[in-house]
Parts: sequence; structure tokens; C-alpha cells
Amino acid sequence: DAGVTQSPTHLIKTRGQQVTLRCSPKSGHDTVSWYQQALGQGPQFIFQYYEEEERQRGNFPDRFSGHQFPNYSSELNVNALLLGDSALYLCASIPSGGDAEAFFGQGTRLTVV
Amino acid sequence: AQSVTQLDSQVPVFEEAPVELRCNYSSSVSVYLFWYVQYPNQGLQLLLKYLSGSTLVESINGFEAEFNKSQTSFHLRKPSVHISDTAEYFCAVSTLYNTDKLIFGTGTRLQVFP
Repeated sequence: DAGVTQSPTHLIKTRGQQVTLRCSPKSGHDTVSWYQQALGQGPQFIFQYYEEEERQRGNFPDRFSGHQFPNYSSELNVNALLLGDSALYLCASIPSGGDAEAFFGQGTRLTVV
Repeated sequence: AQSVTQLDSQVPVFEEAPVELRCNYSSSVSVYLFWYVQYPNQGLQLLLKYLSGSTLVESINGFEAEFNKSQTSFHLRKPSVHISDTAEYFCAVSTLYNTDKLIFGTGTRLQVFP
């Protein structure tokens, strides 16, 4: 059983560009959350998707948007990239009716130059 | 709103010594508590969790944490650390009303020396 997989593992973008990050949840998990982990900080909740809808959102600007597909995979899009968007982006999947345990992928390291 | 405080940003210890990583939380509602570990260039792995029941929870690799409601703490301990325990450790909370949203502390870097 594959765990949570994220792609790409690393990428470098220029200020002002747009980026799309991808996440495939664990088999049987229908809820996907995205977190931003800046260097030296703990992960910060961006938003969560369930049944292809954004269910809740953290304190992030509208430049951050997402999507969930019928197979429960998800994308995180960031527009108009800023230097401060450089971080490790983590995807977590959660089973429906589970005991609150989130399973994390290895993350995508985004560097904005 | 909930918050998590990890007072120690770095904890250096020698191999086979005991260690305690401190975590305090703030919440006006009941919480679930978690410890995650992050090895270099990797994602987060759940180490242990407290949902209800016994306030002392243990992991398979010798770590334990005790939920102390009166002190709003969930400190992580291990009686004898190994070199392989070197990693970043994050304490996190979620609420009973929003179990899917984790609030993390800033992390504690455990460095084990030979």
C-alpha cells in the first residue's frame, strides 16, 4: 500500500510565476490537507479538501488555491509567487471516520528566486 | 484559538542519556495531542498520540508522553536515546470539534552525540 506521494520533490521558480504541486493520498483516504513549513518553523495549515470541495482554510491569501479530483488526489496552486513562499509544502491525507491520524507525504521543497 | 509552545528549539544530549522535550498547549476546548518526528529531507511521521483514556502514551521505539491537563502539557520523554533519534520533533494539537486541522509548535531539534 503506497503512502502519501507528492510531486515534484523539489522545484525552483522565479518571483511572479505560478506553481502547481500534486498529492496522491493513501488508499482509502478521502480528505487531503495542505501545510506550509517555512525553514525553522512548524507546519502551518493552508486548507483542506473533502469531496472535491474546500472544507476549511487557514490564514493564507487567495493566491493559494487548490483542487481535489474524484480519485481524491489534490493539487495546490500558488500564483504570483513571492520570495516568502519558499518553503516545504506538505500534503496530509486522513481517512474518513478515522481517529484523527494524518499521514504526511515527504513534501515538495519550493524555492522562489 | 489553539496554540502550541515548544520552549526548547534545540536539545543536545549524549547517546544513552535520558531526554525530555517539552510541549505546552493553550485551548479553551478539549484537544487531541500528537508528537510527530521529521528526519532530514523527509515529511512528518506520527510518533504517538493522545485521544482519550490513559494519560500516558507510548510509541514502539521507546518514546512516551504524558498528558497533563492541569498543566496543559504533553512532554515527550525517552529514558535512553540513540544516535538514530536525531531529528526534529513537533508537538501538535487538534480539537474534538475539528480533528482534521493540526496546529503545530515550532519544533525541537534533538541532537544525539556519541
